Amino acid sequence: AQSVTQLGSHVSVSEGALVLLRCNYSSSVPPYLFWYVQYPNQGLQLLLKYTTGATLVKGINGFEAEFKKSETSFHLTKPSAHMSDAAEYFCAVRKDSGGYQKVTFGTGTKLQVIP
Amino acid sequence: KAGVTQTPRYLIKTRGQQVTLSCSPISGHRSVSWYQQTPGQGLQFLFEYFSETQRNKGNFPGRFSGRQFSNSRSEMNVSTLELGDSALYLCASSFRGDTGELFFGEGSRLTVL
Repeated sequence: AQSVTQLGSHVSVSEGALVLLRCNYSSSVPPYLFWYVQYPNQGLQLLLKYTTGATLVKGINGFEAEFKKSETSFHLTKPSAHMSDAAEYFCAVRKDSGGYQKVTFGTGTKLQVIP
Repeated sequence: KAGVTQTPRYLIKTRGQQVTLSCSPISGHRSVSWYQQTPGQGLQFLFEYFSETQRNKGNFPGRFSGRQFSNSRSEMNVSTLELGDSALYLCASSFRGDTGELFFGEGSRLTVL
């Protein structure tokens, strides 16, 4: 069974500081990996995704993530936090098995940006 | 291209009632998934529909059901509502067969009194 672990349900950073949100997954086969962002009272929006190929993935709003198979990690980073980055972030893994598509989400990390 | 549309956005029900939520996927998307989001449990997978067939189901009681129509629109129904069913219900559509990224609607916020 696949699972996703996000370390830290709440993360606070100062405006302009590095953002690092951690995600580890467990999967028996190389998965598809995603980061989504959710702003208050809205649905989830895709930030970036890893499928195959380059392990460093760039997404929207200056975010990027690196797939490290040896560490089963897919951490999300942004060099300089902006106030508008305050939101909840979800890591997700998709696995296809027997014709079924299953996407599992982590428990989410709320990012607070301090002025 | 229009996004995923969920209706209603907000609703209040009382215990024992039933509720039906609707989801219109992005044009061309044939897969629709439903998720329940609560502060305590996070995002919980309810079910996925593709070509009018339920392809996958999460660990929810039989009070939670769904269906998909030939135009890919989907509905989910919760019968005999309980207080614990209060949540944000999110629908997501995808073009099954590619990387499968999910496109989410804004959700239907259900409050059970």
